[in-house]
Order: sequence, then C-alpha cells, then structure tokens
Amino acid sequence: KAGVTQTPRYLIKTRGQQVTLSCSPISGHRSVSWYQQTPGQGLQFLFEYFSETQRNKGNFPGRFSGRQFSNSRSEMNVSTLELGDSALYLCASSFWTGAHTEAFFGQGTRLTVV
Amino acid sequence: KNEVEQSPQNLTAQEGEFITINCSYSVGISALHWLQQHPGGGIVSLFMLSSGKKKHGRLIATINIQEKHSSLHITASHPRDSAVYICAVDLGADGLTFGKGTHLIIQP
Repeated sequence: KAGVTQTPRYLIKTRGQQVTLSCSPISGHRSVSWYQQTPGQGLQFLFEYFSETQRNKGNFPGRFSGRQFSNSRSEMNVSTLELGDSALYLCASSFWTGAHTEAFFGQGTRLTVV
Repeated sequence: KNEVEQSPQNLTAQEGEFITINCSYSVGISALHWLQQHPGGGIVSLFMLSSGKKKHGRLIATINIQEKHSSLHITASHPRDSAVYICAVDLGADGLTFGKGTHLIIQP
C-alpha cells in the first residue's frame, strides 16, 4: 500500500509570493496533519484536517491555511511568504483522529524563501 | 503548556553498544510517540505508547506515566541506526508536541 505522498519535494519561492503544498494520505486514512520543521524551533504542529474539517490549529499566523478534499487529500497554503517560512513541511496521515492513532509521515516538502 | 525534554541532544557510540534516549514531559498525556528521522527529512513512526513497554526488533520503548518519562533503547546498535530520534506527546487535541530530538551517530 502506497505511503504518504507530498509534492513537490523541493520548492524555492521569493518573499511576498504564495505557495501551495500537497499531501496525499494513505488510502483509507481520513486525518491529515501538517507540521513545520525549522532548525531553531524544531517540529511544530500547524493544523489537522479530518473529513474535510479543520479540527485543530497550532499557533501560526493566518497566512498559513489549509484544506482537505473529499478524497482526503490535503493542501496547505502560505501567503505573503517571509524568509522565516523557509522550512521542511511535513504531513502525516492517520486512519482516525485523536490520541492513540498511529501517524504515518510523508517525506516532506523543503521550502526555501529567498 | 506541555514541555517535552529529550536527552541527550547528541550521542556518538560504537557499533554494538546499548543506546538509551530519554524523554520527559510536563503534563498528562494521552499517548507518546517515538519517531526516527534520517537525513533528507522523512520521518518514520517507531512506537506509539500510552503505558508499559513495546518491543520491535532491536528497539524497545518504555513509558512511566506517573513519572512522565519515556525511554527508547536500541540494543546491538548498528551504523544504520544513525538518525535523529524524536519524542512527541499527544494531549488528545492540538496535535503533537515534539522534543528537540537526539542526534545519534553509531560508528563502525
């Protein structure tokens, strides 16, 4: 069974632009969570979607948004990019939502803002 | 706010050594995850624990809910175990909260 697929793997954008990242979960999984990883802050939770609804949101500005489609694929959007948004963005899928649910991570999208 | 502390931050050991990585957290949790991240970024989920002990091959994870502490052990370590090991706690809401990670290098 295919794993979690994130596209693109690498991306270079200019300050002020916007970017959309995609995450295709494991077939049958309905929960998708997004995380940002930077050298300074480590891994931080962005948001979680379950059945097309945002369930939880981390402490990030409104420039970070997401959505989930009926096939459980999720997209994350960052508008008005800043240099500090350069990071590895990871998504994880789970069959269900909440605790005690194993998460399967994708390979990540490495975003560089110049 | 839940803090997750991992120790050590960096660990270099010789092949075959027994490795222990520790994780402490400050509030009650629903579950704790141990993750492995190799260079290049991909993360693999090793264990999810809410009590007791789990074993998978040469890896063992334990958790003590009362002491708010978990350990990840690697027996007969091998250079391919070299990676960053990350502890993450699940409060049941607000996603996972992560430790800073332990950079493990196993030398042949």
